Amino acid sequence: QVQLVESGGRLVKPGESLRLSCAASGFTFSDYYMSWIRQAPGKGLEWVSYIGSRGGPTTYTDSVKGRFIISRDNAKNSLTLQMNSLRAEDTAVYYCAREGDGYKAPFDWWGQGTLVIVSS
Amino acid sequence: DILMTQSPSSVSASVGDRVTITCRASQDIDTWLAWYQQKPGRAPRLLISDASRLQSGVPSRFSGSGSGTDFTLTITSLQPEDFASYFCQQSHSFPWTFGQGTKVEV
Repeated sequence: QVQLVESGGRLVKPGESLRLSCAASGFTFSDYYMSWIRQAPGKGLEWVSYIGSRGGPTTYTDSVKGRFIISRDNAKNSLTLQMNSLRAEDTAVYYCAREGDGYKAPFDWWGQGTLVIVSS
Repeated sequence: DILMTQSPSSVSASVGDRVTITCRASQDIDTWLAWYQQKPGRAPRLLISDASRLQSGVPSRFSGSGSGTDFTLTITSLQPEDFASYFCQQSHSFPWTFGQGTKVEV
């Protein structure tokens, strides 16, 4: 069955960098667009970034543009989010999610999330 | 950005009740709307896509309706496992945006 497993979240200080990973299995990873979505403690969901099935296009929400980089390795079935210049407001659980089949499909599978805490 | 506004933010209900949650988009999104259920400490689960298409495995007591700017998620005969938070999400245009959520509680 489809599995998405995130890793890499931890406590970091403001201004530091962190790399999140998502290991995918149970489906043909290279066929699907993928996204990172985050949820601050006790808050709602915020879409962060998106990457096409072959590595492009990529797009980002305004608050992370120029700081975060999404990438994927289809040979390794992995998705990555490189987060630089982290801020307190980036504190959240980060989910990787698969966009379903079809144009503008919603997120049909999600990982369990990895917690990033940005605090001095 | 398209603003998604859900109401109510929370609703108190009992097993067997009918619950209706509303989601309003700040501009016309046709039927590019999905509904998710999230339980504490868990990832969201997709319930409905294209405003009204029930996902495989989702009980038929869940239904969605609407188009344009106004959408509804209805749960008929609430079950104990339905106490959770519910989010709407638009995929009409980037950035994809979510409603702030509705918590269905006892």
